[in-house]
Amino acid sequence: NAGVMQNPRHLVRRRGQEARLRCSPVKGHSHVYWYRQLPEEGLKFMVYLQKENIIDESGMPKERFSAEFPKEGPSILRIQQVVRGDSAAYFCASSLTGPGTYNEQFFGPGTRLTVL
Amino acid sequence: QQQVKQSPQSLIVQKGGISIINCAYENTAFDYFPWYQQFPGKGPALLIAIRPDVSEKKEGRFTISFNKSAKQFSLHIMDSQPGDSATYFCAATGTASKLTFGTGTRLQVTL
Repeated sequence: NAGVMQNPRHLVRRRGQEARLRCSPVKGHSHVYWYRQLPEEGLKFMVYLQKENIIDESGMPKERFSAEFPKEGPSILRIQQVVRGDSAAYFCASSLTGPGTYNEQFFGPGTRLTVL
Repeated sequence: QQQVKQSPQSLIVQKGGISIINCAYENTAFDYFPWYQQFPGKGPALLIAIRPDVSEKKEGRFTISFNKSAKQFSLHIMDSQPGDSATYFCAATGTASKLTFGTGTRLQVTL
């Protein structure tokens, strides 16, 4: 009865490197959301995906950030050429269904990215 | 543009007291208002939620009060306990499903 799993839990990167964050949703959930939490701030929506489709990426920075949720395997949030301002906690959430009726989003434990 | 404003930023309450956290929203398209509880190093967990067709919802020691005309809602924690010490986030969403969060309230319940 596993919930949302995220790995790694902690990730340290040097400026200019790439960061790959993985999220496995609750079994049976096909809707995945990524949120970013800066220190002492609330969570900010980044992107909403269904299997093989990006539904809403209105919160994603225009450059260096990308996300995917393939037919098989976890959802991936990729940050290229990281900068210090990317240091944050990145949370993944999943839900059973999507827009139209609200379904609870279950959050993972987060990946804490530190950029040196 | 911040669409959900939350206050206070931090709150200290004695054990047994009432903790009150307030939120206000701007977007009238929002139709679902959850509250999340987050412990250090953990992800947010849904605590209680309300739709705007009711003015109050109670679950155990937790109550949401909702004022649709004022576009405000609040969380009341009755008989606050040290185990309630955490950060609380209000949120709002509409048919788009993505959550818009408040900035959080760090609650400390003292003995």
